[in-house]
Parts: sequence; C-alpha cells; structure tokens
Amino acid sequence: NAGVMQNPRHLVRRRGQEARLRCSPMKGHSHVYWYRQLPEEGLKFMVYLQKENIIDESGMPKERFSAEFPKEGPSILRIQQVVRGDSAAYFCASSPEGTNTEAFFGQGTRLTVV
Amino acid sequence: EDQVTQSPEALRLQEGESSSLNCSYTVSGLRGLFWYRQDPGKGPEFLFTLYSAGEEKEKERLKATLTKKESFLHITAPKPEDSATYLCAVVSQAGTALIFGKGTTLSVSS
Repeated sequence: NAGVMQNPRHLVRRRGQEARLRCSPMKGHSHVYWYRQLPEEGLKFMVYLQKENIIDESGMPKERFSAEFPKEGPSILRIQQVVRGDSAAYFCASSPEGTNTEAFFGQGTRLTVV
Repeated sequence: EDQVTQSPEALRLQEGESSSLNCSYTVSGLRGLFWYRQDPGKGPEFLFTLYSAGEEKEKERLKATLTKKESFLHITAPKPEDSATYLCAVVSQAGTALIFGKGTTLSVSS
C-alpha cells in the first residue's frame, strides 16, 4: 500500500508565478489535509478536504491560495502570484475517516520563491 | 484557544540514557492526541494516538502516556537512530484539524 504521494518534491518559482502542488492520498483514504511548515514555527493547518468538498479552509490565506480535491485525481494546492514569504515546506496528509483517526503524511513539497 | 506546548525544545542524551518529552495541551473535549516523529527533510511519521486519560501505548523503546492536561513520550535506553524531532498534536475543538506543537528535537550520541 503506497503512502501519501506528493509532487514535486522541490519547486522553484519566481515572484509572481503560480505554484501547483499535488497530493495523492493513501488508497482508501478520502480525507486530505494540507499543512505548511516554516522554520521555527512548526506545522500549521491550512485546509481540510473530502472528495469534491472543502470542509475547513480557515487556515488558508484568503487571497492567492486555493485547494481542491476532485472526484478523480489528486488534491491540488494552488498558490497564485507567489511571493518570497510563500517559501516553505508544504505537507499533505490523508486519513481514512475524520481528524480523530491516524493521519499519514507525505514527504512534502519544498517551495522556494526567488 | 486550542494550544499545544512541548518541552524541552531540545534534548541531548547519551545512548542508553532514558528520558521523557512533555506535551501539554489546551483544548475543550479532547478527541485525540497524536505523536509523530520527523526526520530532517522528511514528512512526519505517525507513532501513536491516545484518546483518553490513563491510556498508554508502546512501540519498541517508546511509550506514550496521557493525562487530562498533558502527554509524555518516554524513551527507554535510546539509540542514535532515535535522533529526530518529535511532534505532538491534538484534534482542534472544531474537529477539523490537528494543532501541532513546535516539537522537541532529540539528539542521541553514542
């Protein structure tokens, strides 16, 4: 059973470009979460999705950031017009049911904005 | 406000020197407390879930315990390969997210 797959592992974007981060959950998992990790700050919740639904996006900046988990295909975290402050490690996690069940993380996408 | 505080921030041990990591939490109605291990450049690796005070879980040299206000991760006779950052998280009051502490970075030298 493959784990949570994230790609790309490393992404470099110039200021003003768009970044697309992909996440394929573990087989049988229908709940997906995105977290951001900055040095010295720990993991911060961004968004919680189920298939075709956003359950909670309270941790996501209201501008430039969006997330989706379509009926077919991976979950996508999209950052438009990136700025240097968006540089961070972005982790995706999946769980078989809600947040009170074990969530398994991918290896992350490290975004660098130059 | 949901909050998780881990201590110490960093811990250095000699191989075989047992110790404990602390995770104190503030959340109304605990739905679950999670421990993860994270190696540099990697994603968090799931270790344990605890749901109620008094519960204990063990895995190799690690044992996690839970009270109404805090959790401990006990490390018995650690080895250098136990060196990592250990993260504690609780389910938010809204039930839609994990709230993480900043972690304890453990270094075990031989």
